[in-house]
Amino acid sequence: AQSVTQLGSHVSVSEGALVLLRCNYSSSVPPYLFWYVQYPNQGLQLLLKYTSAATLVKGINGFEAEFKKSETSFHLTKPSAHMSDAAEYFCAVSETGGKLIFGQGTELSVKP
Amino acid sequence: DAGVIQSPRHEVTEMGQEVTLRCKPISGHNSLFWYRQTMMRGLELLIYFNNNVPIDDSGMPEDRFSAKMPNASFSTLKIQPSEPRDSAVYFCASSSFDRPSLYFGPGTRLTVT
Repeated sequence: AQSVTQLGSHVSVSEGALVLLRCNYSSSVPPYLFWYVQYPNQGLQLLLKYTSAATLVKGINGFEAEFKKSETSFHLTKPSAHMSDAAEYFCAVSETGGKLIFGQGTELSVKP
Repeated sequence: DAGVIQSPRHEVTEMGQEVTLRCKPISGHNSLFWYRQTMMRGLELLIYFNNNVPIDDSGMPEDRFSAKMPNASFSTLKIQPSEPRDSAVYFCASSSFDRPSLYFGPGTRLTVT
């Protein structure tokens, strides 16, 4: 079965600094991979997805992620953090039937 | 498009009472998912439907939980009887077969006292 591991339950960066949220996956077949963001008291919003096209995927709000098969990774990055980026971020892998298996989440804090 | 609609947004009930959560998926989507989110266990898939048919309910924690999807535009998740450990945020999500992204509703925050 597919699985996802997010390294670091909490990441703190300064405003304007690079954001790097790590995600490693385990999958026996070429995966579909996703990053979602959850703001307080809200549902999950799709940031970006990888579906076997370009390995560098650009999403909303300036985020991007690179699929690296050799490293089984799909890390999320943003060159310059903004205060509004503070939220919880979830990496997910798609299983048969379309269901998503989520990682435990990484809470991103942005310091002024 | 209104997105996935869930009701109620908040529910507070006493232990032993029946709770029914409701979901309206995005029009045209043919898959529907119920997830539960807690601090301890994160996001757990409870059950999902394809074309209104339950496909995998292995995540449903106990027989106290049941879900139905009588038509393409409506689903319910019922807990009977409810227990304090059922307190969580319950999310409904939908997707279409040709686009694998899930679209989530705002969730129902359930508190069982």
